[in-house]
Amino acid sequence: GESVGLHLPTLSVQEGDNSIINCAYSNSASDYFIWYKQESGKGPQFIIDIRSNMDKRQGQRVTVLLNKTVKHLSLQIAATQPGDSAVYFCAEPKFTGNQFYFGTGTSLTVIP
Amino acid sequence: DAGITQSPRHKVTETGTPVTLRCHQTENHRYMYWYRQDPGHGLRLIHYSYGVKDTDKGEVSDGYSVSRSKTEDFLLTLESATSSQTSVYFCAISGGNEQYFGPGTRLTVT
Repeated sequence: GESVGLHLPTLSVQEGDNSIINCAYSNSASDYFIWYKQESGKGPQFIIDIRSNMDKRQGQRVTVLLNKTVKHLSLQIAATQPGDSAVYFCAEPKFTGNQFYFGTGTSLTVIP
Repeated sequence: DAGITQSPRHKVTETGTPVTLRCHQTENHRYMYWYRQDPGHGLRLIHYSYGVKDTDKGEVSDGYSVSRSKTEDFLLTLESATSSQTSVYFCAISGGNEQYFGPGTRLTVT
């Protein structure tokens, strides 16, 4: 069955460094992915999305890369700041009832 | 939070009591969802709605029921709360591809 997973449950980076959070998916037919950020005590917040006809998409300090060959996507955060400390999820729509699969999340800690 | 509110934000209740959580949106989106979030499991779909009075089950629907009598409101009911239903509950809405989440309700069943 389909699954969306994350490689590492925790990640610690120094402030100012770049962060890379990875996500694997199993359904080669998936054509759309979303990254969410969830701060402690809050609901998930949409960060950026990417469609399968793209390899890369950039936002403000964030870049998502999609490698369809190995069914892998990553979220890169440039110049990581303390406010970036959160849990990051990837999500993959099921397109059944507009449902989504969510990964379990990677907890990013930024060290000042 | 994209015009989504949840109430209550925190609740402690006893085993066997009924509990209703409310989700309210101001975005007029068609789809509404209820998730629970537990350590090690991520977000799991309980029920969702694709229109007024149109609902369907998610992957963890046992012990839960929902109702949607208006576009803006989606209610989640635990008919007889159990300790295994202690969790953080999130409502989400969608009018297209993305889902937008509410602030969550922390429910503790003692």
